[in-house]
Amino acid sequence: AQSVTQLGSHVSVSEGALVLLRCNYSSSVPPYLFWYVQYPNQGLQLLLKYTTGATLVKGINGFEAEFKKSETSFHLTKPSAHMSDAAEYFCAVSAADSWGKLQFGAGTQVVVTP
Amino acid sequence: ETGVTQSPTHLIKTRGQQVTLRCSSQSGHNTVSWYQQALGQGPQFIFQYYREEENGRGNFPPRFSGLQFPNYSSELNVNALELDDSALYLCASSLAGANEKLFFGSGTQLSVL
Repeated sequence: AQSVTQLGSHVSVSEGALVLLRCNYSSSVPPYLFWYVQYPNQGLQLLLKYTTGATLVKGINGFEAEFKKSETSFHLTKPSAHMSDAAEYFCAVSAADSWGKLQFGAGTQVVVTP
Repeated sequence: ETGVTQSPTHLIKTRGQQVTLRCSSQSGHNTVSWYQQALGQGPQFIFQYYREEENGRGNFPPRFSGLQFPNYSSELNVNALELDDSALYLCASSLAGANEKLFFGSGTQLSVL
C-alpha cells in the first residue's frame, strides 16, 4: 500500500523566490513518484516523474524534484517563481506494476505575489 | 490540450438519482483510469479499464461502475447518488505500461443536491 503526505496546504512565494513544495511517501514496494499541477477548471498536467535511475528529476517549466529514499521524500523545487506558477500541485505515488493507479496527496495551493 | 475529452462539463443531480459520465480517450490509448476529486482534496482512484476489462479498483462501493468500449472510450456510472458524491470526476487515458504517461481530461463537475 502507498500513501502520500504533502506538508502545507497553502504556500505563498514572492515572484523570483524559491518554490519548495514538500512531499513524503510511504510504500511497501519501490515507488514511482509524480508531481502534477492543476490550474483552475482544468485537469492534471504531469510536471515530472521518478521511476528508476537518476534521483534528481527535471521536469517542465523549470521544476525539479529529488527522490531521497532514506528520507522517503520527493520534494519539488523551482529556483525562481513566476506568476504563472500559481496553481495547485499534487504529489502522487504508485507501484511499478500499477500503472495509472495513483495515490495522490491532498495538494498544495501555491500563490505567487508580485 | 491532452486529447482527452469528458462530457458533460457540469451536471446537477438530486440524491438517489443515477448519472453517467463519459470520457473519450486520446487516440491509440487502451487504458482509462477514473478519479474522484472532492473539493479541497487530491484525486482518489476509482477504477481502471484496460482493453474493456476492469483492471483494478479503489475503495469505492459497487454503485460506482464503469464500461470501456471497443474504441476505448469509457463511461462512469454512479447509482443511488449521495450528497458526498459531489466532486470533480477526472478520467485519464494512457497506453498500458509502467512508464506510460497519463493524460487527464478537464473533468466533469457533479453536484448532488
